[in-house]
Amino acid sequence: GENVEQHPSTLSVQEGDSAVIKCTYSDSASNYFPWYKQELGKRPQLIIDIRSNVGEKKDQRIAVTLNKTAKHFSLHITETQPEDSAVYFCAASWMDSSYKLIFGSGTRLLVRP
Amino acid sequence: DAGVIQSPRHEVTEMGQEVTLRCKPISGHDYLFWYRQTMMRGLELLIYFNNNVPIDDSGMPEDRFSAKMPNASFSTLKIQPSEPRDSAVYFCASSLGSQETQYFGPGTRLLVL
Repeated sequence: GENVEQHPSTLSVQEGDSAVIKCTYSDSASNYFPWYKQELGKRPQLIIDIRSNVGEKKDQRIAVTLNKTAKHFSLHITETQPEDSAVYFCAASWMDSSYKLIFGSGTRLLVRP
Repeated sequence: DAGVIQSPRHEVTEMGQEVTLRCKPISGHDYLFWYRQTMMRGLELLIYFNNNVPIDDSGMPEDRFSAKMPNASFSTLKIQPSEPRDSAVYFCASSLGSQETQYFGPGTRLLVL
């Protein structure tokens, strides 16, 4: 069935270092892959998304890459800052009649000052 | 625009009581989603609507849960009777399209004693 796996579940990096979070999806028909950031006690907010006709997308310090053959996509955060500390969720949308988003289990990122 | 509005923000109730959660989506958004978030199960889609019509309710856990969208600016999620395992944060989200940015509300934190 529809499934999105996300790794690692927790990630601790030193301020200024890079962080990488990886997700795999089960259905090769999926074509939309957003990433959401959720700070403690707050709502999830979209930070970047990518569609299946694009291999990479950047927005300042964040980037997302997509490998359709391997069915995985990754979030890259460079020059991490303490305010990047949050839980990050990947998601995938299946090209069926419902287009619903299936979320990964989340990665808790801690950026140490 | 004020964003997605949810009420109440917090709800504490006793097992067996009826609980009604409310949501006002962003004006002009055609899609409305109800999610449940717990530590154990992560972020789960319960049901979503397109133009006030329920499209996919496969995530609704059981018959105790029901959702309605009587008009484009209002939706409810009802739990009757409530059980302690229903304790979670319930988010409402809305979007312009099926694979567009979902904007989450602040959530309702439900505790069933």
